[in-house]
Amino acid sequence: SQQGEEDPQALSIQEGENATMNCSYKTSINNLQWYRQNSGRGLVHLILIRSNEREKHSGRLRVTLDTSKKSSSLLITASRAADTASYFCATRQGAQKLVFGQGTRLTINP
Amino acid sequence: DTEVTQTPKHLVMGMTNKKSLKCEQHMGHRAMYWYKQKAKKPPELMFVYSYEKLSINESVPSRFSPECPNSSLLNLHLHALQPEDSALYLCASSHGLAGLAGMSEQFFGPGTRLTVL
Repeated sequence: SQQGEEDPQALSIQEGENATMNCSYKTSINNLQWYRQNSGRGLVHLILIRSNEREKHSGRLRVTLDTSKKSSSLLITASRAADTASYFCATRQGAQKLVFGQGTRLTINP
Repeated sequence: DTEVTQTPKHLVMGMTNKKSLKCEQHMGHRAMYWYKQKAKKPPELMFVYSYEKLSINESVPSRFSPECPNSSLLNLHLHALQPEDSALYLCASSHGLAGLAGMSEQFFGPGTRLTVL
């Protein structure tokens, strides 16, 4: 079963607006990762946030982590058409397995 | 070189064919992975290799046979597949498996789009 659940499943916004995606997970974690996938392509690692971190920034990306609520959010500011993709959170399950959430399909309209 | 390459990009095969998917990385990573991804779904783990030894098999049918000839190469041999096996097959690598800090980031190849007729 997939540990991460994301919402919304799909998000459509205008270019220049901010996009926020949320991820919830079920068990305790050491870290949580976010990946991007352009249509039909491989995944690209965006950012990793450790369990002792509450917020992390990378360029236009801002990730928050609330371990008490077992949730994380990914904020993309000043969105661009090139940000159109699916976004997945991922957490560790068991000894060596990375499990992906269901993903959010983000569409940036020009 | 921070790239994972996969060949072929597309593959169409019949249910009686034997084919292989190939994956290569030159980042010195010692963990390599095969994932299967259906449309509009997240990747699902199939196999994990650590130091060229099979570490995890997620109860994958035997018609999928992984092989790790050396630390840079990972193959997935396909035989007698079913139409429902049609999917995007992704290879990934990472520095190692999970440690005290948890899972490290994985580097993905572009995938092989497999169609089984």
